[in-house]
Amino acid sequence: DAGITQSPRHKVTETGTPVTLRCHQTENHRYMYWYRQDPGHGLRLIHYSYGVKDTDKGEVSDGYSVSRSKTEDFLLTLESATSSQTSVYFCAISEIGLAGYNEQFFGPGTRLTVL
Amino acid sequence: KNEVEQSPQNLTAQEGEFITINCSYSVGISALHWLQQHPGGGIVSLFMLSSGKKKHGRLIATINIQEKHSSLHITASHPRDSAVYICAVKETSGSRLTFGEGTQLTVNP
Repeated sequence: DAGITQSPRHKVTETGTPVTLRCHQTENHRYMYWYRQDPGHGLRLIHYSYGVKDTDKGEVSDGYSVSRSKTEDFLLTLESATSSQTSVYFCAISEIGLAGYNEQFFGPGTRLTVL
Repeated sequence: KNEVEQSPQNLTAQEGEFITINCSYSVGISALHWLQQHPGGGIVSLFMLSSGKKKHGRLIATINIQEKHSSLHITASHPRDSAVYICAVKETSGSRLTFGEGTQLTVNP
């Protein structure tokens, strides 16, 4: 158990509504990541954080924003949800950042459905 | 073409069989990661390796850097091994993990 929780675990929302997903860790790791998982694709990085208030874009960042005001929390926001954002979202943490070896530990996932 | 290709995509085995899942990649890497994802569950890290072989219980992971290939073996497979197994590579240049699409393994009793 890497001490990662995600909330909510399941959410159904309507197109155009804002949605915020929360990732919470108890391990005090510096690096946190948000991925989405879709059929026909491997996990794809949305955004990542390398410290409080330090974030950067991943390969599929359009339509998403993130915030990290505390070490333990990394929030993913869909400002105006679209059906293409229906997915399973995973948060991950690592001790070392992407520039070096990094073994990432994943949260339980959030299944988001946008109608 | 994906930078990380896994084979097979789906695999069905009988309990007790020896299982092999393959991962091929096309980029230079510094490390390769095997992960396990259970139905409805999260993703668990199995191995992180950059050369040779690692063993944990009934699981063995090997990597051949020159051939850009890794295998995950499961000995004496059990129904509880049924899951999706995911390969991910850390590129030497750049700063991201690239994931394969996963191999769905079903082990029947």
